[in-house]
Amino acid sequence: QKEVEQNSGPLSVPEGAIASLNCTYSDRGSQSFFWYRQYSGKSPELIMSIYSNGDKEDGRFTAQLNKASQYVSLLIRDSQPSDSATYLCAVKGGSYIPTFGRGTSLIVHP
Amino acid sequence: DTEVTQTPKHLVMGMTNKKSLKCEQHMGHRAMYWYKQKAKKPPELMFVYSYEKLSINESVPSRFSPECPNSSLLNLHLHALQPEDSALYLCASSQDRVAGANVLTFGAGSRLTVL
Repeated sequence: QKEVEQNSGPLSVPEGAIASLNCTYSDRGSQSFFWYRQYSGKSPELIMSIYSNGDKEDGRFTAQLNKASQYVSLLIRDSQPSDSATYLCAVKGGSYIPTFGRGTSLIVHP
Repeated sequence: DTEVTQTPKHLVMGMTNKKSLKCEQHMGHRAMYWYKQKAKKPPELMFVYSYEKLSINESVPSRFSPECPNSSLLNLHLHALQPEDSALYLCASSQDRVAGANVLTFGAGSRLTVL
C-alpha cells in the first residue's frame, strides 16, 4: 500500500522563524509531489509542487525533494501568524490520483 | 472566485432525507473527484470520474451515489445517511495526466451535518 507519512504536530514556531515541514513516502515510483495548505474548515489550496530532486523556491516557500531518501519537505521562511494552518503533503505515483498524508498542523505565534 | 464550484456550502439533513451535493468545474479538466474529510484527518477519496469512467473507493457505502451528467459536473446523491457521515465533502478536478503533474484544484467544500 502506498503511504505518505507526516508528523501531525502541532509544530509551533515564533513569528519570523523558519518552519520546516517533512513528508516521507513509500512508493519509489512516485513522480510528482505537492504541498497543500488548509485553513480550519476550508478546502486545501496548492502551495508548491516539485517534480525533480533539489530545491524549488517560490517567495517565502521552498520545497525540497530527495527521491533517493524518499522524502519531501517544505520550508517557510519569515513565518507569519497567517501561515498557521494544516499542511498536507500529496504524492503522485503511476496512477494519476495523488495520495495525501495526514497533514502537519503549524502554529506561528506572535 | 474558485474555478470549482460546490453547492450548497452547508447542508443539514435527517437520516431519512434524500439530498444532493453539486460540483461544477470551469477549467476543461478531464477528471473530477469527491473526497470526504473528517476533522483533523486527511481527505479520503470517495469517487473519481475520468474519461467517462467512474472509479469507486470500495469502502464507500452505497448510501452515497455519484452522478456525472457531463464532463463539467459531478454530483453526489445522499440517501439514508448516518450521523457519522457528517463531514466536509470536497470536490476537486484535475487535468488527468498520468505522465507528469496532476494538480488537484479543490472547491470550497460542502459541510454536511446528519442529525
